[in-house]
Amino acid sequence: DQQVKQNSPSLSVQEGRISILNCDYTNSMFDYFLWYKKYPAEGPTFLISISSIKDKNEDGRFTVFLNKSAKHLSLHIVPSQPGDSAVYFCAASEGGNTPLVFGKGTRLSVIA
Amino acid sequence: EAQVTQNPRYLITVTGKKLTVTCSQNMNHEYMSWYRQDPGLGLRQIYYSMNVEVTDKGDVPEGYKVSRKEKRNFPLILESPSPNQTSLYFCASSFGRKTDTQYFGPGTRLTVL
Repeated sequence: DQQVKQNSPSLSVQEGRISILNCDYTNSMFDYFLWYKKYPAEGPTFLISISSIKDKNEDGRFTVFLNKSAKHLSLHIVPSQPGDSAVYFCAASEGGNTPLVFGKGTRLSVIA
Repeated sequence: EAQVTQNPRYLITVTGKKLTVTCSQNMNHEYMSWYRQDPGLGLRQIYYSMNVEVTDKGDVPEGYKVSRKEKRNFPLILESPSPNQTSLYFCASSFGRKTDTQYFGPGTRLTVL
């Protein structure tokens, strides 16, 4: 059973517009959420995170929103740039020694 | 430069021939882990290590072994590789499991014929 779901395998957005990537989770024990970005032929790189005690975290053009009641989080990129074209992974963590759980990823294409 | 290195980057081998993929980090991180990435399945954790001599299974440990004899190194061992282990493998490290910055290596693309 998939605990972290990214239901959109791909997303295309025009340069300058907002990109919204969504992530749903089923495990109510998750208390920390992360987004990673991955370019081809490179390892994933950390982008932004949010703790369950917050509902929003912002870092420059990137904002992550968390809706605990809906078990949903989203990553907003404003404005989108061609260099943002990559695969974005949502990941979640709970306490203890449990593994970090990743979603399947969403491929974002920002069109100039 | 802070980094995680993996070797080899590409490997083609045959079923049953033991192989080791090395992983090394220069950031004095305590936590290290191995992931595999497969189309449509995302990143799945194979094994992780909280510190030297402390390792534990992730989501998909079958067919893999690891060791953590030194803090900086965390090799992934496939004793008898099979075609279903053809995948893209990533090593990662961080100070703590839930820390913001988990550094990933560049990946090792393994093909088992």
